[in-house]
Amino acid sequence: GAVVSQHPSWVICKSGTSVKIECRSLDFQATTMFWYRQFPKQSLMLMATSNEGSKATYEQGVEKDKFLINHASLTLSTLTVTSAHPEDSSFYICSAEGPIDEQFFGPGTRLTVL
Amino acid sequence: GQQLNQSPQSMFIQEGEDVSMNCTSSSIFNTWLWYKQDPGEGPVLLIALYKAGELTSNGRLTAQFGITRKDSFLNISASIPSDVGIYFCAGPSNFGNEKLTFGTGTRLTIIP
Repeated sequence: GAVVSQHPSWVICKSGTSVKIECRSLDFQATTMFWYRQFPKQSLMLMATSNEGSKATYEQGVEKDKFLINHASLTLSTLTVTSAHPEDSSFYICSAEGPIDEQFFGPGTRLTVL
Repeated sequence: GQQLNQSPQSMFIQEGEDVSMNCTSSSIFNTWLWYKQDPGEGPVLLIALYKAGELTSNGRLTAQFGITRKDSFLNISASIPSDVGIYFCAGPSNFGNEKLTFGTGTRLTIIP
């Protein structure tokens, strides 16, 4: 149980385009999901907290207009990187909060912007 | 903000050796979590600690919640090749919510 999936697992896009990443909790419902970013050889940094049915809460320094988050159902949150640039290339990881507040992590999405 | 510093930053050991790594914080934590991340994957929870002084094992892994609540350590006994990866400590923010702060990580490599 407690499986979280992400799609796609990797994506390459041209600079200026937008990319959508999906995060799904497969066997449980999650009112709260989290989006992290991890640059090479660095730790996970929280970008935003995604709440079902309400606006996401962004961490300081994360542009909400650039990283659009939609949590339209209890099993799906999406992160859209708008007008992506090479500096947005990173490993994006989501997590979904389980019934006793533990976080279950997805396998990550590697974004490369050319 | 909160910082979690892990040491060592990286370790190169031989198979069968024991491993010890630690995590220190600039502020008090009420929960310590230890995760392992394999290359190209998300982190997987290894051990969760909820009380100061608590010592918890999970197979060959043992972790302790420091008495001061500002540190924790993780030991791996008799390392095997699949132990290779990056180990992160993490803890909830001190604002009483569920957001996690991750440590800087310890990269474990096993030398053949």
